[in-house]
Amino acid sequence: NAGVTQTPKFQVLKTGQSMTLQCAQDMNHEYMSWYRQDPGMGLRLIHYSVGAGITDQGEVPNGYNVSRSTTEDFPLRLLSAAPSQTSVYFCASSYSRLAGMGEQYFGPGTRLTVT
Amino acid sequence: DAKTTQPPSMDCAEGRAANLPCNHSTISGNEYVYWYRQIHSQGPQYIIHGLKNNETNEMASLIITEDRKSSTLILPHATLRDTAVYYCIVTGTASKLTFGTGTRLQVTL
Repeated sequence: NAGVTQTPKFQVLKTGQSMTLQCAQDMNHEYMSWYRQDPGMGLRLIHYSVGAGITDQGEVPNGYNVSRSTTEDFPLRLLSAAPSQTSVYFCASSYSRLAGMGEQYFGPGTRLTVT
Repeated sequence: DAKTTQPPSMDCAEGRAANLPCNHSTISGNEYVYWYRQIHSQGPQYIIHGLKNNETNEMASLIITEDRKSSTLILPHATLRDTAVYYCIVTGTASKLTFGTGTRLQVTL
């Protein structure tokens, strides 16, 4: 199993550009989520999905869109990049949403710089 | 999810046990205590979780007080590879986690 994979590893954007961060998992997990981590901070939830076709907002959703057309993939779209979106983005997946039934598996992250 | 409080940093000598405390005085009855760690800038890694009983796995032990208001993560024989930021998270759902700033554990020779 490759686990959770993310592409690209690094990306530099100019203000106003759009792009899609890719996330895929091969563990047949229903639940997937996107977090961002700013320097010296913990991770903050952007969007999450409880299954194909179902998504919802997390703590910091503004400026980002998501969709979930398959179980495996959960792309994150930046609509019009801003310097405030400079961050490290982590995708994660889990088998169950139930608190006692398992952990989240995280990808290696995408380091995004917006100039 | 209940708020957690952790010391910002700790040191531990290699080969000794590392005991990382976490306060979660507002935890509710259906919330679990989870521990994750983040090495350098890698993605967080799951360590262990528990509800009210002590738990042990191949990585660590989790001790939860009887009133569930605090817990301790124990790495029994810390190595240099255990140097990381450790996050204590209290949650009623495994799929949405609220990360604080964690404890930066430095393991030294």
